[in-house]
Amino acid sequence: EDQVTQSPEALRLQEGESSSLNCSYTVSGLRGLFWYRQDPGKGPEFLFTLYSAGEEKEKERLKATLTKKESFLHITAPKPEDSATYLCAVRKGDKLIFGTGTRLQVFP
Amino acid sequence: DAGVIQSPRHEVTEMGQEVTLRCKPISGHDYLFWYRQTMMRGLELLIYFNNNVPIDDSGMPEDRFSAKMPNASFSTLKIQPSEPRDSAVYFCASSLAGTSVGNTIYFGEGSWLTVV
Repeated sequence: EDQVTQSPEALRLQEGESSSLNCSYTVSGLRGLFWYRQDPGKGPEFLFTLYSAGEEKEKERLKATLTKKESFLHITAPKPEDSATYLCAVRKGDKLIFGTGTRLQVFP
Repeated sequence: DAGVIQSPRHEVTEMGQEVTLRCKPISGHDYLFWYRQTMMRGLELLIYFNNNVPIDDSGMPEDRFSAKMPNASFSTLKIQPSEPRDSAVYFCASSLAGTSVGNTIYFGEGSWLTVV
């Protein structure tokens, strides 16, 4: 069965304390892994798409990496404004299958 | 671009009432998706359309749920009759050419439904 698992469920960081979020998946024939950011009361906002193992993408303090079984979202020197829920999803045909997310809180 | 527009943003209704959620996708997008988000199950795909035609409705929980897309700029998700377990945030999303390489799905702000 296709499955996307994110860990940890919640993460509390001090401002400047770097860390990583994990997304593991069991999907036959991966055709894209997506990362989204979701703020409270808002819809998910697209961050990255990764297509093949070894691929990396960066945006400000965020870097996403992909292996054959998992993806990591690395957050370097986070700021309070990085606080949000981070969702990963894998492509299955024309649709995305989402994990349940990691709720990140960054304290000053 | 205005993005995906959903209405209402918040809806509180009594059990047994009909609920209609509305969505206007991004102009020019040919795929439209309806997702439901709950704390327990996260984001689940309910149904999606391509060029106004329903392609996969396997995520629709039961016959009480129905969705239509009468034209390229409007879709509805209807729940009749509504039940308390339908309480969730319902997201509409759209994309150009599904999730093909180089494309992505853009989400609206969601419709927060509470059934009491």
